[in-house]
Amino acid sequence: GQNIDQPTEMTATEGAIVQINCTYQTSGFNGLFWYQQHAGEAPTFLSYNVLDGLEEKGRFSSFLSRSKGYSYLLLKELQMKDSASYLCAVRDSNYQLIWGAGTKLIIKP
Amino acid sequence: IAGITQAPTSQILAAGRRMTLRCTQDMRHNAMYWYRQDLGLGLRLIHYSNTAGTTGKGEVPDGYSVSRANTDDFPLTLASAVPSQTSVYFCASSDTGDTGELFFGEGSRLTVL
Repeated sequence: GQNIDQPTEMTATEGAIVQINCTYQTSGFNGLFWYQQHAGEAPTFLSYNVLDGLEEKGRFSSFLSRSKGYSYLLLKELQMKDSASYLCAVRDSNYQLIWGAGTKLIIKP
Repeated sequence: IAGITQAPTSQILAAGRRMTLRCTQDMRHNAMYWYRQDLGLGLRLIHYSNTAGTTGKGEVPDGYSVSRANTDDFPLTLASAVPSQTSVYFCASSDTGDTGELFFGEGSRLTVL
């Protein structure tokens, strides 16, 4: 079966750096997405990786290793507003998105 | 404001009743989707439509139906609601560009008693 694994919850301190991991086993691969979802709100797009390596976008970076079935989202200079759930999703060979359950990130002052 | 509009935002429904969740987008995206989100689970695809006039079944289609009469509208109907359909429902759309990122509506919180 297809599976996306990510930690259920993480805690970090304001101003610090946190890395949220995502491992996947899917039928084919056509890209990996990260979305941010604040409590009670809709998910919003953060990043997209289709080739191996690091994609940087401001304070957020996303890394992909297709051979290892692994990605991480790196958040730098954490702010209180970064408290949210972070969803990892993989697009499979049928171009359908397979979603992880999300990682709830708690930022403490 | 461009985007996706869902209605209602929240609804409490008696089991056995029929319910339609509305979704309208003004971005002229070809593809539209309905997901449900439950605590501890990832988003699960109910139905999708790659273009107006076509629909397809997702991972959890039973008990739900959709139609896509035009590009903008993609309503989701629960013919006879059951308590297991209590969930938050998100409508989303995407274009056919390289990333195909999804744009989500604000969600509809449905409680079936």
